Amino acid sequence: SQTIHQWPATLVQPVGSPLSLECTVEGTSNPNLYWYRQAAGRGLQLLFYSVGIGQISSEVPQNLSASRPQDRQFILSSKKLLLSDSGFYLCAWGKTRDQPQHFGDGTRLSIL
Amino acid sequence: QKEVEQDPGPLSVPEGAIVSLNCTYSNSAFQYFMWYRQYSRKGPELLMYTYSSGNKEDGRFTAQVDKSSKYISLFIRDSQPSDSATYLCAKSGGSNYKLTFGKGTLLTVNP
Repeated sequence: SQTIHQWPATLVQPVGSPLSLECTVEGTSNPNLYWYRQAAGRGLQLLFYSVGIGQISSEVPQNLSASRPQDRQFILSSKKLLLSDSGFYLCAWGKTRDQPQHFGDGTRLSIL
Repeated sequence: QKEVEQDPGPLSVPEGAIVSLNCTYSNSAFQYFMWYRQYSRKGPELLMYTYSSGNKEDGRFTAQVDKSSKYISLFIRDSQPSDSATYLCAKSGGSNYKLTFGKGTLLTVNP
């Protein structure tokens, strides 16, 4: 069966520091991969998606970037964090563009 | 008009009650309708999904889609305290591989 791993679960970072969140998927090949941010009362916001190695599409202009160095690895990064980057970040995978997506347990990011 | 609208709740029911959670959508381009359950401080967990109009049942859960009125529902029978969570509806078929989510309904089942 397929599993998705995200780490760390919780992260506290100072403003201006860099960020690297990692997500890996097991049990499937060539998945579509997604990064979302979930803010209280605002629902799930799609940040990036990837349909293959090195292929990244950005949904929202922001202080973040994503990379997919391997088929089942997706990384969310920032060079300098802003207070507004605080939130709950979720990685997800899907087999095709329209099929349901499956989520990891998320990283709760707090910026001080 | 938002593409998927969901009753925000919160909803509080006694144990054993039948729960009805509802969403409406505006864009008829779709492939799948999904229901996710999200416990506090966890990622959303896919509960059920359906492609067509009608009912789909899985244990105590029934997903219902009415394409003519653009209405989707999740029914929970014999609700349990462990069902207490936020429930998110979603649909695919939009642009850019995107799922469109409702904002979620917080359900509390009281023992």
